[in-house]
Amino acid sequence: KNEVEQSPQNLTAQEGEFITINCSYSVGISALHWLQQHPGGGIVSLFMLSSGKKKHGRLIATINIQEKHSSLHITASHPRDSAVYICAAPRDTGNQFYFGTGTSLTVIP
Amino acid sequence: KAGVTQTPRYLIKTRGQQVTLSCSPISGHRSVSWYQQTPGQGLQFLFEYFSETQRNKGNFPGRFSGRQFSNSRSEMNVSTLELGDSALYLCASSLNYGTSGSYEQYFGPGTRLTVT
Repeated sequence: KNEVEQSPQNLTAQEGEFITINCSYSVGISALHWLQQHPGGGIVSLFMLSSGKKKHGRLIATINIQEKHSSLHITASHPRDSAVYICAAPRDTGNQFYFGTGTSLTVIP
Repeated sequence: KAGVTQTPRYLIKTRGQQVTLSCSPISGHRSVSWYQQTPGQGLQFLFEYFSETQRNKGNFPGRFSGRQFSNSRSEMNVSTLELGDSALYLCASSLNYGTSGSYEQYFGPGTRLTVT
């Protein structure tokens, strides 16, 4: 069993739709990370959150530590949001992570 | 502030050769982590360096090695390349070394290695 599970694996949406990506983890953590990877490979760290909710532009991340569950929401989706979104739960030491398999999002104009 | 840079961006090698990849972290960042990404296995942790010392190592064979210099720049080396080593190699820098991923990671653009 993977320590970090993401759903869905693939997601296609129409421009303007509200999108939700879910992440469940089985390890005890202090903070969960959401990453975005565009075609071409570059990875950007979107959020690092340990409780509640964080918002950055049209992106919102929530976490429930007790239920070991986090969600990434995208409001008013746009084709430039098309990317792979990865959640990552840190291991006990250092900056290494358990990674989810990623959610590939395609937003159609 | 300049981001994380990796060189080279693309590399083609043949089986049996060795390769060295370079990563320059964000100025002031002292921790560098390396990851391998393949379509089949996803992102996998290779190793992490802090203060020129390897702090953590993932489950990879000894053919994979790395080092960090006093200016925090890091290199990773893969010897006796195999076809399965074809992957995107990403490095990420963090301000410091901590516990439980407490520091945000900043990723470089990656080096795409193809082994033929």
